[in-house]
Amino acid sequence: DTGVSQDPRHKITKRGQNVTFRCDPISEHNRLYWYRQTLGQGPEFLTYFQNEAQLEKSRLLSDRFSAERPKGSFSTLEIQRTEQGDSAMYLCASSSPASGLDEQFFGPGTRLTVL
Amino acid sequence: GDSVTQMEGPVTLSEEAFLTINCTYTATGYPSLFWYVQYPGEGLQLLLKATKADDKGSNKGFEATYRKETTSFHLEKGSVQVSDSAVYFCALSVRGAQKLVFGQGTRLTINP
Repeated sequence: DTGVSQDPRHKITKRGQNVTFRCDPISEHNRLYWYRQTLGQGPEFLTYFQNEAQLEKSRLLSDRFSAERPKGSFSTLEIQRTEQGDSAMYLCASSSPASGLDEQFFGPGTRLTVL
Repeated sequence: GDSVTQMEGPVTLSEEAFLTINCTYTATGYPSLFWYVQYPGEGLQLLLKATKADDKGSNKGFEATYRKETTSFHLEKGSVQVSDSAVYFCALSVRGAQKLVFGQGTRLTINP
């Protein structure tokens, strides 16, 4: 297992378009997290899943954002009607009871640019 | 709400210099504290952590001590190397809340 993977690594889109990102966590990690990181800032929490259940959503996650983890494995984050303010790095992380639930392992991120 | 404040960067040092990056926090519960590092072109990696007051986390020559009385978790290294050049993030998680709360990051550059 090579760690958390994210796809695509880069996405350029026009304002108003919809985009979808995918995250594959470390095998057997039952918790999966999404964060957003803007230039010069630390990551900000968006949402997290335990297995397939979405247990917490940040107020940053407007109704244009939706995340799913249908089978408790990979997750998708969709942004509808993208705005220039959505340009950021979107990070995925996972954790498991075996490694300590508070120790999160991060993927390389998907960089979104909205023109 | 819960928050983390880090020393502003960028920080530039010469090789073998002593490093301190300050981090203070505000939390409603009893947080676990972390330092994450982001090397150029790579994802965030956990550098070290401490889960209760007076614990010392250490890894790769870096150390940080959980100081409840000063709500601080400063990162230190006695002799930095060029390979330590990266962005360092202090973070916390409050028991019962699964999210990490990050500081804004400190960019460190080590010159040979």
